[in-house]
Amino acid sequence: KQEVTQIPAALSVPEGENLVLNCSFTDSAIYNLQWFRQDPGKGLTSLLLIQSSQREQTSGRLNASLDKSSGRSTLYIAASQPGDSATYLCAKGFQKLVFGTGTRLLVSP
Amino acid sequence: DTEVTQTPKHLVMGMTNKKSLKCEQHMGHRAMYWYKQKAKKPPELMFVYSYEKLSINESVPSRFSPECPNSSLLNLHLHALQPEDSALYLCASSPGPNTEAFFGQGTRLTVV
Repeated sequence: KQEVTQIPAALSVPEGENLVLNCSFTDSAIYNLQWFRQDPGKGLTSLLLIQSSQREQTSGRLNASLDKSSGRSTLYIAASQPGDSATYLCAKGFQKLVFGTGTRLLVSP
Repeated sequence: DTEVTQTPKHLVMGMTNKKSLKCEQHMGHRAMYWYKQKAKKPPELMFVYSYEKLSINESVPSRFSPECPNSSLLNLHLHALQPEDSALYLCASSPGPNTEAFFGQGTRLTVV
């Protein structure tokens, strides 16, 4: 069974900090890696997709990298803002996405 | 338009009821998905439709019945559900089976 783990489970930072969220997998098969955010009780918002042939994607203050040899992806958030507070989920796969356990982020003003 | 629209947003149903969840997208996407998310857990895949044909069923109980009437619409028919089926049901779509997935806001289902 594929397992996707996210560390830390929860993170609280003051506004303005740069931060890194981690996502790790138990197998290194070919796959896409997608990062989402989820606000409480809401659906998922796609942030970044790293396709199987890519190593990195950037969008605004967000940068995601993928290292398949080590089975890890990281999401870097620069200059965090209170509006970034949400749960961040990574998901691995192609047609079937297997989601990580999530990181709850709280950014305080 | 990059929206996946789900209706209703909230649904309360009894164990003997029959109800349906609806999902619609107008992005021309050819793959559509149903996921189930229990409280404080990550979403789990239920069904995948690719080019309007069911391509993946993750051993979901028959009380959940998916339907894809056309390329823009995905339904989930519910019958004789159990209280443990209470969850957030998420619909998603993607241009093809191996591309970026876009999710709707979900239907919060409560079975009483």
